[in-house]
Amino acid sequence: TQLLEQSPQFLSIQEGENLTVYCNSSSVFSSLQWYRQEPGEGPVLLVTVVTGGEVKKLKRLTFQFGDARKDSSLHITAAQPGDTGLYLCAGAGGNNDMRFGAGTRLTVKP
Amino acid sequence: DTAVSQTPKYLVTQMGNDKSIKCEQNLGHDTMYWYKQDSKKFLKIMFSYNNKELIINETVPNRFSPKSPDKAHLNLHINSLELGDSAVYFCASSRTGAPGNTIYFGEGSWLTVV
Repeated sequence: TQLLEQSPQFLSIQEGENLTVYCNSSSVFSSLQWYRQEPGEGPVLLVTVVTGGEVKKLKRLTFQFGDARKDSSLHITAAQPGDTGLYLCAGAGGNNDMRFGAGTRLTVKP
Repeated sequence: DTAVSQTPKYLVTQMGNDKSIKCEQNLGHDTMYWYKQDSKKFLKIMFSYNNKELIINETVPNRFSPKSPDKAHLNLHINSLELGDSAVYFCASSRTGAPGNTIYFGEGSWLTVV
């Protein structure tokens, strides 16, 4: 059983559309991170959220941490082909190491 | 300058061989990691070292042996390679091992066992 469940697993949309991806767990996290991984590269941190209910914006990306700190969402407005990639959420596991969800593979078509 | 660098980037080898992947970080971080990403892109932690000391050793076969000669280096040696070892192996580092620290990943080492 994975600590973090991400949905959807795959998402293919047209340029200009909006989308939301989700990261859910039954565990409470002190912090949760979102990373983006492009083909042939390692994951790169987008944001860290630490407070329940927190909302952070990074240009067209909006991240929200659930009030109970068990889940998070990432909303992208007016998606662009450059947003294509694997979006991974990560939360601290039992040994305080960061455990990753299986990711959402986003494809934005021009 | 590359923050976390690992070599080789690509490695194709036969079953039964022994191989090593090297990793170095120039960020001055205390904590280094090895992650394995399978064909389904699931990223799973294998080992974590803090200041050369092993902190986390997940349920990884003992054919995998990490070695940290100093806190800037964490190498991964794999004995008797099996087909199922084929994956992308990512080295990473963070300032400390505390949750919430940014994890900086290398570009990955693509291992194919034939």
